[in-house]
Amino acid sequence: NAGVTQTPKFRILKIGQSMTLQCAQDMNHNYMYWYRQDPGMGLKLIYYSVGAGITDKGEVPNGYNVSRSTTEDFPLRLELAAPSQTSVYFCASELAGANEQFFGPGTRLTVL
Amino acid sequence: DQQVKQNSPSLSVQEGRISILNCDYTNSMFDYFLWYKKYPAEGPTFLISISSIKDKNEDGRFTVFLNKSAKHLSLHIVPSQPGDSAVYFCAATPGGSEKLVFGKGTKLTVNP
Repeated sequence: NAGVTQTPKFRILKIGQSMTLQCAQDMNHNYMYWYRQDPGMGLKLIYYSVGAGITDKGEVPNGYNVSRSTTEDFPLRLELAAPSQTSVYFCASELAGANEQFFGPGTRLTVL
Repeated sequence: DQQVKQNSPSLSVQEGRISILNCDYTNSMFDYFLWYKKYPAEGPTFLISISSIKDKNEDGRFTVFLNKSAKHLSLHIVPSQPGDSAVYFCAATPGGSEKLVFGKGTKLTVNP
């Protein structure tokens, strides 16, 4: 099993550009999550999904969108990149009810 | 409003000694607690957890203690090893929730 994979690892965007951060898991987990981690801060939940076709906002959803068309994939979309979105983004997945989340390696995004 | 607090941003200990990482929480609905370990440029990995029906859980060198009346938990690492040097995140979740709330993390350095 590859676990949770994220692409790209690094990306630099200009203000106003858009991009999609990809996340995939091969563990047949129902739940998937997107977090951001700013320097010296904990992980803040952006969006999450409890199954295909179901998504919900987390603590910091503004400026982002998600979709969950399959169990395996949970892409995160930035429509109009802003410097405040410079962060490290982590995707995670969890088997429903297990409470233990498995994380991907992260995407480091810089918006200039 | 931080519901999970890790008040020590960093901790330095000698190899072979005990490391104690602390975490406080404010939400009395939290009933399951987890510790994650994070190395640089990697995603967090699950370390150990504890349910509110217990006050202690052990896994090898790692022990988590929960004091519900004080809303406090701690992670003990004995003996500490240089490979334990990482950032440790405390996380909590209320019963029935799909979401975890993370603290800001404590950077542990174990000196040889």
